[in-house]
Amino acid sequence: EDKVVQSPLSLVVHEGDTVTLNCSYEVTNFRSLLWYKQEKKAPTFLFMLTSSGIEKKSGRLSSILDKKELFSILNITATQTGDSAVYLCAVLIGSSNTGKLIFGQGTTLQVKP
Amino acid sequence: NAGVMQNPRHLVRRRGQEARLRCSPMKGHSHVYWYRQLPEEGLKFMVYLQKENIIDESGMPKERFSAEFPKEGPSILRIQQVVRGDSAAYFCASSPYMWGVNTEAFFGQGTRLTVV
Repeated sequence: EDKVVQSPLSLVVHEGDTVTLNCSYEVTNFRSLLWYKQEKKAPTFLFMLTSSGIEKKSGRLSSILDKKELFSILNITATQTGDSAVYLCAVLIGSSNTGKLIFGQGTTLQVKP
Repeated sequence: NAGVMQNPRHLVRRRGQEARLRCSPMKGHSHVYWYRQLPEEGLKFMVYLQKENIIDESGMPKERFSAEFPKEGPSILRIQQVVRGDSAAYFCASSPYMWGVNTEAFFGQGTRLTVV
């Protein structure tokens, strides 16, 4: 069965801290790995990773994928209270005519002032 | 260009009633995906539709659930004879092409269904 596991499930930090969120997966027909941020509404897209070892960056957020070890990490530096959210990792699987995302349970991040 | 629109945002149904959830994809998007998020769980894939066709319904419960995406109008997720276990947030996502390596799908705000 296709599986995506995130850790930790929840995390509390203070503003300015750096956090690392983990995502491991066991799937068939891997196509790409995606990170989303969910704040009591629609998940918003952060990154899509397809190739190993290539870091993607957006401001204070960065992510990298290791397709050999089957995991990805999401780093957030200099955290702010606005970073408080649930971070979802999802793996896109499928063949040439269909595709679907398999989501992990999410990591709930709380950033305290 | 409005985002993916779902309505209603909140829906309360008594056990045994029917629930109809609507999803209007972004303009120009012909691919729709429905996901369910149960309390304290991640999003689970339900069904993938393209205009007038169901492409993948491997995540849909075999009974009481159905989905459609007609040529005109929104995609509808229909749950007949709802039970308490159907209480969840239902999210719809849409994309212009099949969800792929270079194609991102955008999520709607979700419909929170509560069965009392």
